Amino acid sequence: DSGVTQTPKHLITATGQRVTLRCSPRSGDLSVYWYQQSLDQGLQFLIQYYNGEERAKGNILERFSAQQFPDLHSELNLSSLELGDSALYFCASSPAGSRGTQYFGPGTRLLVL
Amino acid sequence: GENVEQHPSTLSVQEGDSAVIKCTYSDSASNYFPWYKQELGKGPQLIIDIRSNVGEKKDQRIAVTLNKTAKHFSLHITETQPEDSAVYFCAASLIRNQFYFGTGTSLTVIP
Repeated sequence: DSGVTQTPKHLITATGQRVTLRCSPRSGDLSVYWYQQSLDQGLQFLIQYYNGEERAKGNILERFSAQQFPDLHSELNLSSLELGDSALYFCASSPAGSRGTQYFGPGTRLLVL
Repeated sequence: GENVEQHPSTLSVQEGDSAVIKCTYSDSASNYFPWYKQELGKGPQLIIDIRSNVGEKKDQRIAVTLNKTAKHFSLHITETQPEDSAVYFCAASLIRNQFYFGTGTSLTVIP
């Protein structure tokens, strides 16, 4: 158990809908990263937050957005969902002053029908 | 940006044999190279990592080597056991920045 929690574990929704994925980082970790894992794309970095501020952006679509709250939990919002958005979404966290280590949560499996 | 290539994509070994997975990276500025193990239905779990000021690191049956000049690094698992069966991912990054992952190696250890 990495100490990173994600909810929900599974999500089934329809095209055009909007969903919110939630992540609670390990206690004391200030950085949160979101990744998308699909069969044909592997693990792709989406976005990073550090202590509430956006730190880096990767291959995140404009239909997706994220934020990190004062209690350091983070939410990833996916809107106007398409079939191709079906994937595993992982959150990872790392501590302040980290030498790089990221700890991954168990993921949220999203299925868009 | 960084590009990480990983080989092989699948690997089958007999229990007790060694397994080697290789990765290359493109950005010479990358300085942190973790390896993750992902079991079915679970998130990636860090198993070992190496920083660019070190050439080799070992932790029990697992070792990682790094060749900065050639820009490649490898994961070595000795005395493989069935519980080592999983998908293994390498990654490269600048410390505290995003990870660039390889495409994964599905390792099967045959009892």
